[in-house]
Amino acid sequence: NAGVTQTPKFQVLKTGQSMTLQCAQDMNHEYMSWYRQDPGMGLRLIHYSVGAGITDQGEVPNGYNVSRSTTEDFPLRLLSAAPSQTSVYFCASRTRYEQYFGPGTRLTVT
Amino acid sequence: AQSVTQLGSHVSVSEGALVLLRCNYSSSVPPYLFWYVQYPNQGLQLLLKYTTGATLVKGINGFEAEFKKSETSFHLTKPSAHMSDAAEYFCAVTLDNYGQNFVFGPGTRLSVLP
Repeated sequence: NAGVTQTPKFQVLKTGQSMTLQCAQDMNHEYMSWYRQDPGMGLRLIHYSVGAGITDQGEVPNGYNVSRSTTEDFPLRLLSAAPSQTSVYFCASRTRYEQYFGPGTRLTVT
Repeated sequence: AQSVTQLGSHVSVSEGALVLLRCNYSSSVPPYLFWYVQYPNQGLQLLLKYTTGATLVKGINGFEAEFKKSETSFHLTKPSAHMSDAAEYFCAVTLDNYGQNFVFGPGTRLSVLP
């Protein structure tokens, strides 16, 4: 049982490039989320999904896209990277009372 | 809408001293409350949670927290700090509804001095 996995661990992008951050979970959780973590701001919700085929926006969705074709996978797409998207990104899946976090992806946009 | 505040972005204690990390929340209905710990370059790990029942909850690594509804607080304590407790701690709140999202506080970085 691997829990929540994320790839890559580190990524450097140039402004304007696009990329996909991968997230997978093997706990059969319906609910998954993407957060970004910036110093002094805690975790802010980007997008979330309550099941395959269902996604919705969180607090800071601009510049990001998600899809949920299977229960296991929840990729996050950066459409056109900007320096303001330099951050650490965490994927999580949850039960009703508990969230399980992946190890994070550290993204730098130059 | 819920919100979470954590007093003190950085707290320093001596090894063996009491750890007290403060968390206050605002919510229109009784919330579920959580403390997470994040060690350097790692994801978040659940320390403890309050959902219903006993207001004093015990977590891993000797930490505990008390839900005080009248003070809208959920402060985290540990009687005796250990060097390995140095990390960032996040308080979070959600409501009793599966569709509700978690809201996180800004975090408190705990340093433990020898």
